[in-house]
Amino acid sequence: EDKVVQSPLSLVVHEGDTVTLNCSYEVTNFRSLLWYKQEKKAPTFLFMLTSSGIEKKSGRLSSILDKKELSSILNITATQTGDSAIYLCAVVVNTDKLIFGTGTRLQVFP
Amino acid sequence: EPEVTQTPSHQVTQMGQEVILRCVPISNHLYFYWYRQILGQKVEFLVSFYNNEISEKSEIFDDQFSVERPDGSNFTLKIRSTKLEDSAMYFCASSETGATEAFFGQGTRLTVV
Repeated sequence: EDKVVQSPLSLVVHEGDTVTLNCSYEVTNFRSLLWYKQEKKAPTFLFMLTSSGIEKKSGRLSSILDKKELSSILNITATQTGDSAIYLCAVVVNTDKLIFGTGTRLQVFP
Repeated sequence: EPEVTQTPSHQVTQMGQEVILRCVPISNHLYFYWYRQILGQKVEFLVSFYNNEISEKSEIFDDQFSVERPDGSNFTLKIRSTKLEDSAMYFCASSETGATEAFFGQGTRLTVV
C-alpha cells in the first residue's frame, strides 16, 4: 500500500527560528512530490519536486528531494507567525492522484 | 486569479439524506478530483474525472458516491444516503494537466447528524 509519512506531527517554535519538516514515502510508480500549506481550509501549493538533489526555493522556504532515501525536507528560515499552518506532503503516483501524509502542524509564537 | 469555487461552505444533513456538493473548476481545466479530510486525519483521494468519465476511484468511493459534470462548468459529488462517518471536509480540485498541478477549492464541510 502506498504510504506517505511526515514528521514531526507538531512543532512549536519562536519567531526567527529555522525549522525542518520531513516527509518520507513508500509508493509504487513515483512521479513527483509536492508540498502544500494548509492554513484554514484549502491546501495551497508550495513546491513540486521531481528530480533528486535539486533544491527549490521561494523566499524563506526551500525544499529538496532525495530519491535514494525516498524522502524530502521542507526548510523554513527566520520563521514568522504567518508561517503557522499545517504543512502537507503529497506524492503523485502514475495513476494521477495525490497521496497525502498526515501533515506537520507548525505553530510560530512571537 | 482563477480559482476553484465550492458551495456550500458548510452543510449539515441528517443521516440517510442525500447531499450534493458543488464545485466550479477553473474554466480551461480538464482534470477534476474530489478529496476528503476527516477532522484530524489526512487528506484522502476519492475520485478523479477526465473526459466525462471516472479515471480512478478509491475504496472510499463506494456505490453511495457518484460524480457528475452536468453542464460543462459544474462538477458535483453526490452522496446518496449519508452516514455519520461521511462527516468531513470535502475538497474539489481541478487541473489543466493532471494531479501535479491541481488547484484546490476552499472545501465544503459536511456534518452528518
